[in-house]
Amino acid sequence: ETGVTQSPTHLIKTRGQQVTLRCSSQSGHNTVSWYQQALGQGPQFIFQYYREEENGRGNFPPRFSGLQFPNYSSELNVNALELDDSALYLCASSLPGILYGYTFGSGTRLTVV
Amino acid sequence: KNEVEQSPQNLTAQEGEFITINCSYSVGISALHWLQQHPGGGIVSLFMLSSGKKKHGRLIATINIQEKHSSLHITASHPRDSAVYICAVLYSGGGADGLTFGKGTHLIIQP
Repeated sequence: ETGVTQSPTHLIKTRGQQVTLRCSSQSGHNTVSWYQQALGQGPQFIFQYYREEENGRGNFPPRFSGLQFPNYSSELNVNALELDDSALYLCASSLPGILYGYTFGSGTRLTVV
Repeated sequence: KNEVEQSPQNLTAQEGEFITINCSYSVGISALHWLQQHPGGGIVSLFMLSSGKKKHGRLIATINIQEKHSSLHITASHPRDSAVYICAVLYSGGGADGLTFGKGTHLIIQP
């Protein structure tokens, strides 16, 4: 049983650019959620995908968007990068509902300069 | 949305000490998670609780739904327990709203 894999592990981008982060969910998990963790803070919920549809979203602007594919892997896209977007981006997969735990990836550390 | 409060923010202890980390929240939840984050960022899920108590090795997690409070205990602490411990809750009816995290407790166990 594989865990959650995120790529790339580290990334440096320039302000105004666009970035795509990728996440492969744990085998059998059809729900993927994305979180942003700024330095010294707890993660903040960005959005969640279930069966290729966004079914929940936190307080993030529309320039944060995502996709989920039929194999349940997922992408997080951020347009018009800002310096404050510099953070660790975490992906977590789970089964739907409140009864199941989450498996987290190791994250992608994004630096915007 | 209500926040999740953790205490202490930082804790340094000697090897072998009994460790307690606290978490409180203010409205009804469906589940509470205790997570461990090591330098570099990866998060490991330790426990998911909706009531009572769970134990895994030297780790014990308890939750009091009426008091909206949970504790994570580490017995016979060891330097390898050094990490950030994060409490996260899933609010009632918020299955699609994701987890709400505390800021974490930075634990250092000295040999």
